[in-house]
Amino acid sequence: EAEVAQSPRYKITEKSQAVAFWCDPISGHATLYWYRQILGQGPELLVQFQDESVVDDSQLPKDRFSAERLKGVDSTLKIQPAELGDSAMYLCASSLVRWGAKNIQYFGAGTRLSVL
Amino acid sequence: EDQVTQSPEALRLQEGESSSLNCSYTVSGLRGLFWYRQDPGKGPEFLFTLYSAGEEKEKERLKATLTKKESFLHITAPKPEDSATYLCAVQASGTSGTYKYIFGTGTRLKVLA
Repeated sequence: EAEVAQSPRYKITEKSQAVAFWCDPISGHATLYWYRQILGQGPELLVQFQDESVVDDSQLPKDRFSAERLKGVDSTLKIQPAELGDSAMYLCASSLVRWGAKNIQYFGAGTRLSVL
Repeated sequence: EDQVTQSPEALRLQEGESSSLNCSYTVSGLRGLFWYRQDPGKGPEFLFTLYSAGEEKEKERLKATLTKKESFLHITAPKPEDSATYLCAVQASGTSGTYKYIFGTGTRLKVLA
């Protein structure tokens, strides 16, 4: 069964360091999403890609966060510098349908980030 | 403001004790409503999607229903393995022809043997 792959599963870093997360969506899925989930809360969308283009990054803190999906396949989310409040689970999801409607999102296992 | 609210926040059931979880929403231009199950330390697992009021979906002990203002996830004769957090998400019209996804905070279900 096809899955969304994420790495690393866990990341511990110190405040002000740079961190990067990687996501490989299900093959053929055009849309890719990055979410942040704080413990006890629902996922919050950070950025959405359609192929290699960003279609929504309105909730991405652009002063420290960046995301790219250069060839429209896998994606990287970077934080520089990391802050204590960035400690959370970072989830990647992908969906097949190219333009929005009736998109079922399939999630990866996530990367648990702890900033010390 | 678009909003998704789930209740209760937490629910403890005895094995076999049926109940319902609620997801109420206030969004402009609802495109779809999704239910996910999330186990501790894992990503959400897709359960159901509903698109129009009156629609129902079933899977094993779970049944999801949708009205114009809310959705229910009914759990019939639950088992301990049904223990998880159940998340509701709404897909709504965004800006410039895009779609946005709004998740609720989830209901933490614990089923006791």
